[in-house]
Amino acid sequence: DIHLTQSPSFLSASVGDRVTITCRASLGINNFLAWYQQQPGKAPRLLIYSASKLEDGVPSRFSGSGSGTEFTLTISSLQPEDFATYYCQQIKTYPHTFGQGTKLEIK
Amino acid sequence: EVQLVESGGGLVEPGGSLRLSCAASGFTFSEYEMNWVRQAPGQGLEWLSYISRYGTTTHYGDSVKGRFTISRDNAKNSLYLHMTSLRAEDTAVYYCARDKQFVGGFEHWGPGILVVVSS
Repeated sequence: DIHLTQSPSFLSASVGDRVTITCRASLGINNFLAWYQQQPGKAPRLLIYSASKLEDGVPSRFSGSGSGTEFTLTISSLQPEDFATYYCQQIKTYPHTFGQGTKLEIK
Repeated sequence: EVQLVESGGGLVEPGGSLRLSCAASGFTFSEYEMNWVRQAPGQGLEWLSYISRYGTTTHYGDSVKGRFTISRDNAKNSLYLHMTSLRAEDTAVYYCARDKQFVGGFEHWGPGILVVVSS
């Protein structure tokens, strides 16, 4: 199975900050990676697919990059509604594993 | 509007069985691959199972392989997860999720349904 490791697991930041979350895969997955945002008590929301493509309706302050084993999710200027938990997921092979999550908190 | 709504959750004793359903609407169900994902209390997301558009191909995570069975009824626009030999560690919110065609990623999710395994 492909293991995904996100860093950091916790992140404190302020409104307006630029933040980056990293996801590392234990094997190369080309660009078969998705990013999700989850608010407490809600279902996850797809933000990015194919490592760098923005899902419809997702604000342009979100961006994804990477290929192979290292990927990043960047939020260019944090808004209050961005404080949530973020997950990466590989969709190269089954099982379609998720990273452990990164909780983004208000500083 | 795409909608996915899970049902069938609740309290079940260890060793028991339960069948979850996911009712789909707002799209042509038979054109999309589907998945189940769960989240234990306070924990991260765990992918559980996949089913192809006509149910001919399925995949499972190691933690549920041999105990859970995914199926679908395209005539009823419904996805199912039959869970047997339930354990306390199966306690979680269970989500059904629709694949994004051709590129992957789960573009639509149900609100989730809670399953509690306890005596």
